[in-house]
Amino acid sequence: GENVEQHPSTLSVQEGDSAVIKCTYSDSASNYFPWYKQELGKRPQLIIDIRSNVGEKKDQRIAVTLNKTAKHFSLHITETQPEDSAVYFCAASLSGGGADGLTFGKGTHLIIQP
Amino acid sequence: KAGVTQTPRYLIKTRGQQVTLSCSPISGHRSVSWYQQTPGQGLQFLFEYFSETQRNKGNFPGRFSGRQFSNSRSEMNVSTLELGDSALYLCASSLNAANTEAFFGQGTRLTVV
Repeated sequence: GENVEQHPSTLSVQEGDSAVIKCTYSDSASNYFPWYKQELGKRPQLIIDIRSNVGEKKDQRIAVTLNKTAKHFSLHITETQPEDSAVYFCAASLSGGGADGLTFGKGTHLIIQP
Repeated sequence: KAGVTQTPRYLIKTRGQQVTLSCSPISGHRSVSWYQQTPGQGLQFLFEYFSETQRNKGNFPGRFSGRQFSNSRSEMNVSTLELGDSALYLCASSLNAANTEAFFGQGTRLTVV
């Protein structure tokens, strides 16, 4: 089955700096790669996703890149703000979308230092 | 519109008992997926239902089961509870499975003692 590795497990950056979280996946057939943000005690929320026919996607301060050949994808957050502090999860699936059969990484605790 | 609703929010059960958790998806959503979240294993996929049919299943023992009703509401059941079943159980709904955004509920925190 699919295996998703996520690094780093903890990332501390100064407010205003950029943050990058990286994930690798094992199943070359995976075609959907969402990123979820989970604040303490709250539900995971989709912040951005990318499908295998796209190499990069951007939404304001957040961007995701996908390298199908190397089987890795990354989340980039620019101009970080205190409200960006949370745990971020990457995931991969064969379903093309939704939440069916997502294999999640172990999460990255992002800490924004004031 | 209302989000994904899970009930109850918290449960305490004894080893050997069984438990049923409920998930009401966003109106119009037909796909419901269930996940177990623990500090050690992270988020793990249990199963997915669409139009009352289980279409996909993760690597959990048969003690974990689920169903979906004609109104898309879903339930999951865990029988013969073990201490290791203590976790946050999350459900997520989407219009269908492919090419649509999924929304998670707040989860049910199950503690087995």
